[in-house]
Formats: sequence, structure tokens, C-alpha cells
Amino acid sequence: GENVEQHPSTLSVQEGDSAVIKCTYSDSASNYFPWYKQELGKGPQLIIDIRSNVGEKKDQRIAVTLNKTAKHFSLHITETQPEDSAVYFCAANTGGFKTIFGAGTRLFVKA
Amino acid sequence: EAQVTQNPRYLITVTGKKLTVTCSQNMNHEYMSWYRQDPGLGLRQIYYSMNVEVTDKGDVPEGYKVSRKEKRNFPLILESPSPNQTSLYFCASSSNGGRYEQYFGPGTRLTVT
Repeated sequence: GENVEQHPSTLSVQEGDSAVIKCTYSDSASNYFPWYKQELGKGPQLIIDIRSNVGEKKDQRIAVTLNKTAKHFSLHITETQPEDSAVYFCAANTGGFKTIFGAGTRLFVKA
Repeated sequence: EAQVTQNPRYLITVTGKKLTVTCSQNMNHEYMSWYRQDPGLGLRQIYYSMNVEVTDKGDVPEGYKVSRKEKRNFPLILESPSPNQTSLYFCASSSNGGRYEQYFGPGTRLTVT
């Protein structure tokens, strides 16, 4: 079945630096790739997503890139701020009803 | 306010004592799903429902039951909880399965002793 690997599991950056989180997926039929942010004590919340017909998408300081050939997609956060500290999950969906999530990345932004 | 609610938020119980975690959404979403979150394993799908009276297994359904009698509610039932079901549980809903944004509830932390 589908598998999503996410790296790194923990990431610590200085405020103002960039952060990159990478995911790989196994099912070439996957066509929807959301990223969720989970703050302490809360449920995950969608921050950005990309579909397989697009290679890159940007929303202010957040961008996602997709390489379908290599089955990789990445989250890029520029000019990080302390409020970016959270757990980030990537996910993949084949267009059906099952979504497979990565194991998560805990991001620490040091002021 | 559009939201997914779960109750209870925290629950400590003993092995074998049946429990139900409720989930309700006010967005008229057809799709609802239950996940469990464990350290190092991310979110794993337990069950999902495409519409009223239509449910299917996710990746880790063993030991769980669900029902979808109304569009807004999707309770998770543990008929005989065991310690390996100690976890953080999330309910989610979406307008179109996993193809669009899922809205998550605040989570239910369950401890089974």
C-alpha cells in the first residue's frame, strides 16, 4: 500500500532562517499532497496543498514543490518566526477516500 | 463558526470497559474520518465514512467500530479497550473525501490502563 516517508523528524532553525521538510511517497497514483500544521494541544490544520498537475505553489512565506518523477514533495518556509514552531505533517492521497500521512516533523524556531 | 467537535477531550479508562468518543461537524460535509496519532507514527486512519450509512476501514481498524446514522455525527466506539489503544484520536471532515482539505477536531487523549 501507499507509504509516505517524512524527514527530518526534528528541525531546529534560527529565527529568520529557512526551513525545509521533505517527503517521499510510494504510490505513483497519488495526486493530492496537503501539508498540515499542528500546534500544541490542537488538531492539524491545512497550511498549503498541491496537486499533481502543478510543480510548485507558493503562499506568502510558505511554498511546496512536487517532483512526480522522483515521487518527492517538499515544504519550504522562509523567514521563519517563533510562531512557526509546531509539528508539520505531509500527506498523500490517490484521489480516493484514504489519506496517508508522514510521521511528522517537529520544527523549533529559536528567537 | 465552522468546526469539528469531539468529546470527551480526555479520558482515562480500564481495559475492557466499552467507551464511545463522539464527533460532530457543522459544515454539512459528506466525508468524515477517524485517525489516531502516536509518536513517530504520524496520523493513521482508523475508519472513514463517505456518507450516511456508508463506512469503510482505514489502515488500523482492529478493535474499533464506527457508525454514521446522521450526516453530522461520526462516533468512534471501542467495545473492549486495551492498553495498545492508548493514543491521541482525531476526527476530521471534508467536503470531498481526501481530495480536499480535511478539517480536524481538537483531539481526544485516551489512556487505557
